[in-house]
Amino acid sequence: QSVLTQPPSVSGAPGQRVTISCTGSSSNIGAGYDVHWYQQLPGTAPKLLIYGNSNRPSGVPDRFSGSKSGTSASLAITGLQAEDEADYYCQSYDSSLSGDAVFGGGTQLTVL
Amino acid sequence: QVQLQESGPGLVKPSQTLSLTCTVSGGSISSGGYYWSWIRQHPGKGLEWIGYIYYSGSTYYNPSLKSRVTISVDTSKNQFSLKLSSVTAADTAVYYCARNSYASPFDYWGQGTLVTVSS
Repeated sequence: QSVLTQPPSVSGAPGQRVTISCTGSSSNIGAGYDVHWYQQLPGTAPKLLIYGNSNRPSGVPDRFSGSKSGTSASLAITGLQAEDEADYYCQSYDSSLSGDAVFGGGTQLTVL
Repeated sequence: QVQLQESGPGLVKPSQTLSLTCTVSGGSISSGGYYWSWIRQHPGKGLEWIGYIYYSGSTYYNPSLKSRVTISVDTSKNQFSLKLSSVTAADTAVYYCARNSYASPFDYWGQGTLVTVSS
């Protein structure tokens, strides 16, 4: 059971917009810890996609955006492309666990 | 550009100790400011943080694994290591090493190494 809750799967057609939610609690996201998002393509290591709730590392297309409100966060992908098919994970920290890192269970994105 | 590379046995027998090393290049562990982490992923499952170490040797472990985990650092070799004792089949996973700083994202990852626990 992951500390952060994500939907197991989402899907969308090419060109569409999809969102992935990440729900936490008052001891992690709600405590003010930033949320970070990772993209994991099949057979590869996770890659940092969004950091500090809404910031994109260099090289990440602006089709990817993140937001945070209260005890939840969201990742939005616009103009969906076939290459976006991957697993997506949110990550934060938890004050009830001595500031330990916590992950969401992951969301599998299928491009129809 | 910081790079991390995991190394170690891909097969470990039940009840034995899993040992992995992460070699860091392109940056010095002893320069400070970063935590050096181990994260694992069971086959077909999500990511699980195992623990991290600071260059000074301070460690932080996932409470669910704390009794079996030891993370150490060798600044002279620019490496950090993971030992997980009394392994079972449930410890079969891809193990990643990664870098983060306080309350910040894991910005660099190793490619991961599959460790299978089987007799």
